[in-house]
Amino acid sequence: EVQLVESGGGLVKPGGSLRLSCAASGFSFISYNMHWVRQAPGKGLEWVSSIRRTSTNIYYADSVKGRFTISRDNAKNSLYLQMNSLRAEDTAVYYCARGSLLSDYDLDYWGQGTLVTVSS
Amino acid sequence: EIVMTQSPATLSVSPGERATLSCRASQSVRSNLAWYHQKPGQAPRLLIYGASTRATGIPARFSGSGSGTEFTLTISSLQSEDFAVYYCQQYNNWPPLTFGGGTKVEIK
Repeated sequence: EVQLVESGGGLVKPGGSLRLSCAASGFSFISYNMHWVRQAPGKGLEWVSSIRRTSTNIYYADSVKGRFTISRDNAKNSLYLQMNSLRAEDTAVYYCARGSLLSDYDLDYWGQGTLVTVSS
Repeated sequence: EIVMTQSPATLSVSPGERATLSCRASQSVRSNLAWYHQKPGQAPRLLIYGASTRATGIPARFSGSGSGTEFTLTISSLQSEDFAVYYCQQYNNWPPLTFGGGTKVEIK
């Protein structure tokens, strides 16, 4: 069974940092592109970042470029999101998601999300 | 950036009725479009990819159509578990991947 389990969310002050993790199981992690998508309270879905299978290509939304860093450890079946210089508008549930094998960028499995709250 | 626009924002439907949701792209995304639904407190779930192919385990009452800039998700006979928010997403021109604002399907 495919499982994606996020952790690392919490309350952080503006300007602070947080590192999210996503533990993957039930599939060959190295075979898939991985993604972070967030959802502000009561709002829609916003793509944050993507990383290809061997980390050769990485992409960010303009809203997080220069502040967030996506990475993965294929030996540990884990995806990460280092978030620095956090702002109130980064408050959201952060989901990790797997890109499908067929197209890479439709998201066929999602974790349950971890809540990040940026507030003083 | 490709902007995805969904309509209506809210759709009120009785159980057993048909629901038709629309998604429009600001420029052609060919057939590189996915649909998801999200129930309260849950993660999104992939329903349709490639504009018209049902994802694994998705019932046949869900169907997708369209290409280019105009897309439709049809739920032929709404079940109680189908009341949720539905999002479309394009993956033709990226980054960024972009989602529509969502359509909430509620019980009439």
